[in-house]
Amino acid sequence: DAGVTQSPTHLIKTRGQHVTLRCSPISGHKSVSWYQQVLGQGPQFIFQYYEKEERGRGNFPDRFSARQFPNYSSELNVNALLLGDSALYLCASSLDANTGELFFGEGSRLTVL
Amino acid sequence: AQSVTQLDSQVPVFEEAPVELRCNYSSSVSVYLFWYVQYPNQGLQLLLKYLSGSTLVKGINGFEAEFNKSQTSFHLRKPSVHISDTAEYFCAVKGDTGNQFYFGTGTSLTVIP
Repeated sequence: DAGVTQSPTHLIKTRGQHVTLRCSPISGHKSVSWYQQVLGQGPQFIFQYYEKEERGRGNFPDRFSARQFPNYSSELNVNALLLGDSALYLCASSLDANTGELFFGEGSRLTVL
Repeated sequence: AQSVTQLDSQVPVFEEAPVELRCNYSSSVSVYLFWYVQYPNQGLQLLLKYLSGSTLVKGINGFEAEFNKSQTSFHLRKPSVHISDTAEYFCAVKGDTGNQFYFGTGTSLTVIP
Protein backbone atom coordinates (compact mmCIF):
# COMPACT_ATOMS: atom_id res chain seq x y z
CA ASP A 1 0.00 0.00 0.00
CA ALA A 2 1.23 3.50 -0.79
CA GLY A 3 2.12 5.67 2.16
CA VAL A 4 1.76 9.41 2.36
CA THR A 5 3.14 10.98 -0.79
CA GLN A 6 4.33 14.56 -1.11
CA SER A 7 5.43 16.68 -4.04
CA PRO A 8 7.70 18.23 -4.95
CA THR A 9 10.47 16.69 -2.89
CA HIS A 10 12.77 19.68 -3.28
CA LEU A 11 12.25 23.19 -4.53
CA ILE A 12 14.04 26.52 -4.53
CA LYS A 13 12.23 29.84 -4.49
CA THR A 14 13.21 33.47 -4.03
CA ARG A 15 11.90 35.90 -1.47
CA GLY A 16 8.44 37.22 -2.25
CA GLN A 17 7.42 34.27 -4.40
CA HIS A 18 4.59 31.89 -3.74
CA VAL A 19 4.77 28.12 -3.29
CA THR A 20 2.26 25.26 -3.38
CA LEU A 21 3.04 21.92 -1.78
CA ARG A 22 0.91 18.84 -2.34
CA CYS A 23 0.09 15.78 -0.28
CA SER A 24 -1.82 12.56 -0.86
CA PRO A 25 -2.80 10.69 2.31
CA ILE A 26 -2.83 6.97 2.86
CA SER A 27 -5.85 5.39 1.20
CA GLY A 28 -8.79 5.49 3.61
CA HIS A 29 -7.35 8.29 5.73
CA LYS A 30 -9.57 11.34 5.92
CA SER A 31 -7.41 13.74 7.89
CA VAL A 32 -4.29 15.56 6.74
CA SER A 33 -1.98 17.67 8.87
CA TRP A 34 0.92 19.91 7.88
CA TYR A 35 4.07 20.51 9.90
CA GLN A 36 7.09 22.74 9.38
CA GLN A 37 10.49 21.43 10.43
CA VAL A 38 13.26 23.98 10.48
CA LEU A 39 16.79 22.55 10.42
CA GLY A 40 17.78 21.30 13.84
CA GLN A 41 14.29 21.60 15.33
CA GLY A 42 11.29 19.40 15.87
CA PRO A 43 8.26 19.65 13.59
CA GLN A 44 5.79 22.46 14.34
CA PHE A 45 2.09 22.15 13.65
CA ILE A 46 0.68 24.36 10.90
CA PHE A 47 -2.77 22.99 9.96
CA GLN A 48 -5.08 20.03 10.32
CA TYR A 49 -7.89 19.28 7.86
CA TYR A 50 -10.62 16.68 8.16
CA GLU A 51 -13.37 16.12 5.64
CA LYS A 52 -12.28 19.32 3.84
CA GLU A 53 -12.71 21.47 6.92
CA GLU A 54 -9.97 23.11 8.93
CA ARG A 55 -9.79 21.48 12.36
CA GLY A 56 -6.76 23.20 13.78
CA ARG A 57 -4.28 25.93 13.05
CA GLY A 58 -0.89 26.52 14.58
CA ASN A 59 0.85 29.81 15.28
CA PHE A 60 1.69 30.73 11.69
CA PRO A 61 0.96 33.96 9.80
CA ASP A 62 -1.85 34.36 7.31
CA ARG A 63 0.66 33.91 4.49
CA PHE A 64 0.18 30.21 5.16
CA SER A 65 -3.02 28.61 3.93
CA ALA A 66 -4.19 25.14 3.06
CA ARG A 67 -7.13 23.22 1.74
CA GLN A 68 -8.31 19.64 1.41
CA PHE A 69 -9.98 18.22 -1.65
CA PRO A 70 -12.87 15.71 -1.95
CA ASN A 71 -10.35 12.90 -2.50
CA TYR A 72 -8.72 13.93 0.83
CA SER A 73 -5.51 15.15 -0.78
CA SER A 74 -4.28 18.51 0.39
CA GLU A 75 -2.32 21.58 -0.64
CA LEU A 76 -0.28 23.92 1.50
CA ASN A 77 0.23 27.41 0.09
CA VAL A 78 2.72 29.96 1.31
CA ASN A 79 2.65 33.51 -0.06
CA ALA A 80 5.30 36.25 0.04
CA LEU A 81 8.06 33.84 0.96
CA LEU A 82 10.65 34.87 3.52
CA LEU A 83 14.11 33.44 4.09
CA GLY A 84 12.82 32.02 7.36
CA ASP A 85 10.29 29.87 5.52
CA SER A 86 13.14 27.60 4.41
CA ALA A 87 12.32 24.26 5.99
CA LEU A 88 11.17 20.70 5.49
CA TYR A 89 7.38 20.68 5.17
CA LEU A 90 5.88 17.44 6.36
CA CYS A 91 2.44 16.13 5.62
CA ALA A 92 0.85 13.55 7.89
CA SER A 93 -2.34 11.60 7.46
CA SER A 94 -4.59 9.88 9.97
CA LEU A 95 -7.77 7.84 9.82
CA ASP A 96 -9.92 10.56 11.31
CA ALA A 97 -9.67 13.81 13.19
CA ASN A 98 -8.71 12.50 16.59
CA THR A 99 -7.24 8.99 16.41
CA GLY A 100 -3.92 10.00 17.86
CA GLU A 101 -1.63 8.42 15.29
CA LEU A 102 0.02 10.26 12.45
CA PHE A 103 1.70 8.76 9.41
CA PHE A 104 4.24 11.09 7.82
CA GLY A 105 5.40 11.55 4.28
CA GLU A 106 9.01 12.14 3.25
CA GLY A 107 8.51 15.89 3.14
CA SER A 108 9.07 18.74 0.73
CA ARG A 109 12.29 20.63 1.30
CA LEU A 110 11.85 24.30 0.53
CA THR A 111 14.81 26.62 0.18
CA VAL A 112 14.13 30.35 -0.06
CA LEU A 113 16.97 32.47 -1.44
CA ALA B 1 -0.98 23.41 27.34
CA GLN B 2 1.06 20.51 26.12
CA SER B 3 4.81 20.49 25.65
CA VAL B 4 7.71 18.08 25.45
CA THR B 5 11.28 18.45 26.64
CA GLN B 6 14.04 16.23 25.33
CA LEU B 7 16.88 16.64 27.73
CA ASP B 8 19.73 15.46 25.53
CA SER B 9 20.40 16.99 22.14
CA GLN B 10 23.14 14.48 21.25
CA VAL B 11 23.78 10.98 22.55
CA PRO B 12 26.82 9.03 21.37
CA VAL B 13 26.89 5.34 22.26
CA PHE B 14 29.01 2.37 21.27
CA GLU B 15 27.54 -0.40 19.18
CA GLU B 16 25.81 -3.15 21.21
CA ALA B 17 25.66 -0.90 24.30
CA PRO B 18 22.32 0.06 25.88
CA VAL B 19 20.84 3.51 25.37
CA GLU B 20 18.19 5.70 26.99
CA LEU B 21 16.80 8.83 25.36
CA ARG B 22 14.98 11.04 27.82
CA CYS B 23 11.66 12.79 27.34
CA ASN B 24 9.56 14.76 29.81
CA TYR B 25 6.11 16.02 28.97
CA SER B 26 3.59 18.54 30.17
CA SER B 27 -0.07 17.84 29.54
CA SER B 28 -3.24 19.05 31.16
CA VAL B 29 -5.61 16.22 30.25
CA SER B 30 -5.33 12.79 28.67
CA VAL B 31 -1.80 11.85 27.77
CA TYR B 32 -1.00 10.33 24.42
CA LEU B 33 2.75 10.02 23.87
CA PHE B 34 4.82 9.03 20.87
CA TRP B 35 8.37 8.44 19.77
CA TYR B 36 9.30 8.99 16.15
CA VAL B 37 12.59 8.34 14.34
CA GLN B 38 13.89 10.39 11.44
CA TYR B 39 16.69 9.16 9.22
CA PRO B 40 18.65 11.71 7.15
CA ASN B 41 16.58 13.36 4.43
CA GLN B 42 13.48 11.36 5.32
CA GLY B 43 10.16 11.88 7.04
CA LEU B 44 9.22 10.65 10.50
CA GLN B 45 8.55 7.00 11.24
CA LEU B 46 6.55 5.94 14.29
CA LEU B 47 8.61 3.86 16.75
CA LEU B 48 6.00 3.39 19.46
CA LYS B 49 3.05 5.04 21.16
CA TYR B 50 1.34 5.17 24.53
CA LEU B 51 -2.40 5.77 24.45
CA SER B 52 -3.55 3.87 27.56
CA GLY B 53 -3.07 0.58 29.39
CA SER B 54 0.32 -0.93 30.19
CA THR B 55 2.94 1.67 31.02
CA LEU B 56 5.66 -0.34 29.27
CA VAL B 57 5.29 0.04 25.54
CA LYS B 58 7.19 -2.00 22.99
CA GLY B 59 7.87 -0.68 19.53
CA ILE B 60 9.68 -1.53 16.36
CA ASN B 61 13.40 -2.28 16.00
CA GLY B 62 13.71 -3.47 19.60
CA PHE B 63 12.85 -0.12 21.21
CA GLU B 64 10.64 0.27 24.26
CA ALA B 65 9.47 3.13 26.43
CA GLU B 66 7.95 3.47 29.87
CA PHE B 67 5.22 5.94 30.73
CA ASN B 68 5.77 7.36 34.21
CA LYS B 69 2.91 9.60 35.27
CA SER B 70 4.42 10.70 38.57
CA GLN B 71 7.62 11.83 36.88
CA THR B 72 5.86 12.99 33.70
CA SER B 73 8.39 11.06 31.67
CA PHE B 74 8.38 8.79 28.65
CA HIS B 75 11.98 7.67 28.18
CA LEU B 76 12.99 5.55 25.20
CA ARG B 77 15.31 2.58 25.69
CA LYS B 78 17.06 -0.10 23.72
CA PRO B 79 19.21 -2.80 25.36
CA SER B 80 21.67 -3.12 22.47
CA VAL B 81 22.03 -0.57 19.68
CA HIS B 82 23.13 -1.13 16.10
CA ILE B 83 24.86 1.15 13.65
CA SER B 84 21.57 1.42 11.77
CA ASP B 85 19.96 3.09 14.82
CA THR B 86 21.93 6.26 14.11
CA ALA B 87 19.21 8.84 13.51
CA GLU B 88 17.25 11.71 15.04
CA TYR B 89 14.62 10.75 17.60
CA PHE B 90 11.62 12.88 18.47
CA CYS B 91 9.28 12.60 21.41
CA ALA B 92 5.77 14.01 20.91
CA VAL B 93 2.58 14.54 22.89
CA LYS B 94 -0.85 14.83 21.34
CA GLY B 95 -2.89 17.94 22.05
CA ASP B 96 -6.29 17.96 23.73
CA THR B 97 -8.25 18.29 20.52
CA GLY B 98 -7.72 17.11 17.01
CA ASN B 99 -4.46 15.59 15.96
CA GLN B 100 -2.14 18.46 16.81
CA PHE B 101 1.12 17.02 18.07
CA TYR B 102 3.75 18.88 20.05
CA PHE B 103 7.27 17.68 19.30
CA GLY B 104 10.46 17.99 21.25
CA THR B 105 13.61 19.43 19.72
CA GLY B 106 14.99 15.97 19.03
CA THR B 107 17.88 13.81 20.20
CA SER B 108 20.58 12.87 17.73
CA LEU B 109 21.69 9.30 18.44
CA THR B 110 25.07 8.34 17.02
CA VAL B 111 26.14 4.72 17.28
CA ILE B 112 29.90 4.34 17.27
CA PRO B 113 31.41 1.15 15.79
